[in-house]
Amino acid sequence: EVQLVESGGGLVQPGGSLRLSCAASGFRFSNQAMAWVRQARGKGLDWVSVISDSGGSTYYADSVKGRFTISRDNSKNTLYLQMNSLRAEDTAVYYCVKDAPRRSGWYYFDYWGQGTLVTVSS
Amino acid sequence: DIQMTQSPSSLSASVGDRVTITCRASQSISSYLNWYQQKPGKAPKLLIYAASSLQSGVPSRFSGSGSGTDFTLTISSLQPEDFATYYCQQNYSPPPLTFGGGTEVEIK
Repeated sequence: EVQLVESGGGLVQPGGSLRLSCAASGFRFSNQAMAWVRQARGKGLDWVSVISDSGGSTYYADSVKGRFTISRDNSKNTLYLQMNSLRAEDTAVYYCVKDAPRRSGWYYFDYWGQGTLVTVSS
Repeated sequence: DIQMTQSPSSLSASVGDRVTITCRASQSISSYLNWYQQKPGKAPKLLIYAASSLQSGVPSRFSGSGSGTDFTLTISSLQPEDFATYYCQQNYSPPPLTFGGGTEVEIK
């Protein structure tokens, strides 16, 4: 059974930093791209970042580029999101998501974690 | 960037109704279109991928169709557990990955 368990969320002041982690199990982690998707309260889904299976390729939404860094440790089956220079508009539930097996096209997501809440407020 | 527009943003329907949700892309995305269901307080769940392929374990009352710029998600006979918000997402182009704004299906 695929499991994605996020941790590291919490309350942080504007300008602060936070590191999210996602522990993955139930699949061959090193063979799948992974991503983070966020959702502000009462709002829609907002893609944040994606990393290839090896970690060699990363992509970011313009809204977080230069502030957030996605990474992974395939030896620990863990995905990370380092968030710096946090803003009030970064407040959201952050979901760790697994890329689906694909023959073509780009990323879409067949498993989602339960999410971790990040609140940026003074 | 490819923009995804869903309509309606919300709808009210009764158990047993046939429900159709539309997603339109700002440019052609072939069949690279996916649908997710999200219930309140829960993570989204993949329903349909590649416009019309049913994800494993998803009831057959859900179906997807379309190609190019216009897509639909249909629930043939709405069940109580189907009241949720539905999102489309394109995976035609390299990131940024884009989702539609969502369609909330409410009980009439």
